[in-house]
Amino acid sequence: NAGVTQTPKFQVLKTGQSMTLQCAQDMNHNSMYWYRQDPGMGLRLIYYSASEGTTDKGEVPNGYNVSRLNKREFSLRLESAAPSQTSVYFCASSEARRPINQPQHFGDGTRLSIL
Amino acid sequence: KQEVTQIPAALSVPEGENLVLNCSFTDSAIYNLQWFRQDPGKGLTSLLLIQSSQREQTSGRLNASLDKSSGRSTLYIAASQPGDSATYLCAVRPRETTDSWGKLQFGAGTQVVVTP
Repeated sequence: NAGVTQTPKFQVLKTGQSMTLQCAQDMNHNSMYWYRQDPGMGLRLIYYSASEGTTDKGEVPNGYNVSRLNKREFSLRLESAAPSQTSVYFCASSEARRPINQPQHFGDGTRLSIL
Repeated sequence: KQEVTQIPAALSVPEGENLVLNCSFTDSAIYNLQWFRQDPGKGLTSLLLIQSSQREQTSGRLNASLDKSSGRSTLYIAASQPGDSATYLCAVRPRETTDSWGKLQFGAGTQVVVTP
C-alpha cells in the first residue's frame, strides 16, 4: 500500500529554472495539500485542493502554482525558482468525508535546493 | 492568527523513562489537534488525532490530552525506547473561516533522543 508518493525525492535547480513536483495518492482521497518545511518553522501550507477541479491558496502561495490533474494527482510548479524556495516539500491527502475530522497522510517529501 | 508552539525544541531521555511533549496554541477555536512523528529524511506519520470535543486519545504506549480552554495539548509516551527517537510535531485545525477546513497550523516540533 503506497499511500502518498512524491517524485522526485531530491532536486537541485539553478535560480530562474522551473520544475514541477509530482504527488499521487492511492487512498481514493478527495483532498490534497502541498506544504513546505523549513528549519525551525514547522510546516506551512502552500496550496490545497478540496476536491478534483478545485484549488485554493494556503499560507505561502507566492511563487508557486498547482494543478489537480485528477483525483489521484496534485502537482506543484515553480515557474522561476528562487533561493528562498530551497526547502523540503511535502504532499498530503485526506478523506473528503467531513475532512475537518480526518487525519492527513503525508508523503516522504522532496528535498529541493535552489542555487 | 493562530500560533502553535512546542517547547522544548529538543529533549534527551534515558530508555525506559516516560516522555512528556508539550504543544500550546493561542486560539482555542479549533476543530481538532493532531500529533505526528517525523523520522530523519522521511515524511510525517500521524500518531493521534483529538477532536475538539475530546479530552484525550490513546494508542498503545501513546496518550494525548487536550485542554482547549487553556490552549494546551500533551503527548505522553510511556516507557520510552530508542525506536521512539524522532521529531514530534503537533498541528491544529483552526476554525478561522468556513473554508478553513483544509488548513493545519503546525508547531516547529520537538526532537527527541532516547538513549539506550
